[in-house]
Amino acid sequence: GAVVSQHPSWVICKSGTSVKIECRSLDFQATTMFWYRQFPKQSLMLMATSNEGSKATYEQGVEKDKFLINHASLTLSTLTVTSAHPEDSSFYICSARVRAQDDGYTFGSGTRLTVV
Amino acid sequence: AQSVAQPEDQVNVAEGNPLTVKCTYSVSGNPYLFWYVQYPNRGLQFLLKYITGDNLVKGSYGFEAEFNKSQTSFHLKKPSALVSDSALYFCAVREVPNPTQTGANNLFFGTGTRLTVIP
Repeated sequence: GAVVSQHPSWVICKSGTSVKIECRSLDFQATTMFWYRQFPKQSLMLMATSNEGSKATYEQGVEKDKFLINHASLTLSTLTVTSAHPEDSSFYICSARVRAQDDGYTFGSGTRLTVV
Repeated sequence: AQSVAQPEDQVNVAEGNPLTVKCTYSVSGNPYLFWYVQYPNRGLQFLLKYITGDNLVKGSYGFEAEFNKSQTSFHLKKPSALVSDSALYFCAVREVPNPTQTGANNLFFGTGTRLTVIP
């Protein structure tokens, strides 16, 4: 089946540094990738939608200059948390639509970001 | 607007007993409905989905869900719970797009229900 590989699975960084999270579609072309953020004991909140070759669409309240999304190819989308602060600590998950699977969605395994 | 409600934050059930995790939804048109399971520090794993057809949908690991249009519900069920079923369960909805609709149409998630199966 369609697989999205997300790396790293966890990262600890110092406040003020930047962190890049990668999501790769391994056996299909992901024209659209969704980026979610999940706080402890809460649901997934959509941050942005990225389309290959175009600018990402950010949800209201999400700072586009802080959460940089790049979707340069059909198999790779990246989320960069710039100048990270402790409040950015969260679980970040990417997801891609898999049209061949009758409108299914497949998710990455998530990245636990801790900013100290 | 689309929304999903999971009225129970926590469900406890004894091993071997049937389990139900509730979900109701709201969309302006017809829905695509999904159930996902999440284990600690992991991404979401697909369980099942309703797109069209038979209202009773069978999915992975013995789970099933019944689409009830009149009650706008899509409750997740399993006849006999296992301890290994203990996890966080998310219901999600997406409105069926019309042919002229463009855009990515992301999923809207409920707040999740933590299922604990007691040995």
